[in-house]
Amino acid sequence: KNEVEQSPQNLTAQEGEFITINCSYSVGISALHWLQQHPGGGIVSLFMLSSGKKKHGRLIATINIQEKHSSLHITASHPRDSAVYICAVTSGSRLTFGEGTQLTVNP
Amino acid sequence: DAGVIQSPRHEVTEMGQEVTLRCKPISGHDYLFWYRQTMMRGLELLIYFNNNVPIDDSGMPEDRFSAKMPNASFSTLKIQPSEPRDSAVYFCASSLLRVKQFFGPGTRLTVL
Repeated sequence: KNEVEQSPQNLTAQEGEFITINCSYSVGISALHWLQQHPGGGIVSLFMLSSGKKKHGRLIATINIQEKHSSLHITASHPRDSAVYICAVTSGSRLTFGEGTQLTVNP
Repeated sequence: DAGVIQSPRHEVTEMGQEVTLRCKPISGHDYLFWYRQTMMRGLELLIYFNNNVPIDDSGMPEDRFSAKMPNASFSTLKIQPSEPRDSAVYFCASSLLRVKQFFGPGTRLTVL
């Protein structure tokens, strides 16, 4: 079993839909990261959080430490949100990645 | 700011050759990370530095891999000798106080 598991692996949505991507982990962590990898391969760090909720534009990330679970929400999705979204956790000095969720938003 | 700069962007080499990947972090950042991404294994942290000192190299796959950071503005990842299974995209990232990381564009390495 992977230490970091994401669901779903693939997600297709229509423009305007509300999207949720989930991340569960099995180890004690000091922080959780959400990354976005564009179709061209570039990686952008979206959020780093250790508790509660963070919001940036149409993106919201939440974490529940007790349940070892985090969600990334996208409101009013747009085709430019199409990308791979990757969850990663920091545990000690280690950084462990999930396998990513491929999101496609159709116009 | 130019962001994190990596060179070369693409490298094709033959098995057994030495490969050197280069990274220039964002000025003022105190952490530097090297990652590898493959279809099979996804993203993996290879090594990271804090203030030019290697902190954790447990992700370095084997002795053929080495990384250095001689100063705050430059780091190298070297593979010697290279093997076909080293083919991957190698990312460098930097951060201030290990908060938000800024990724470079990556180096796509192909070992024939």
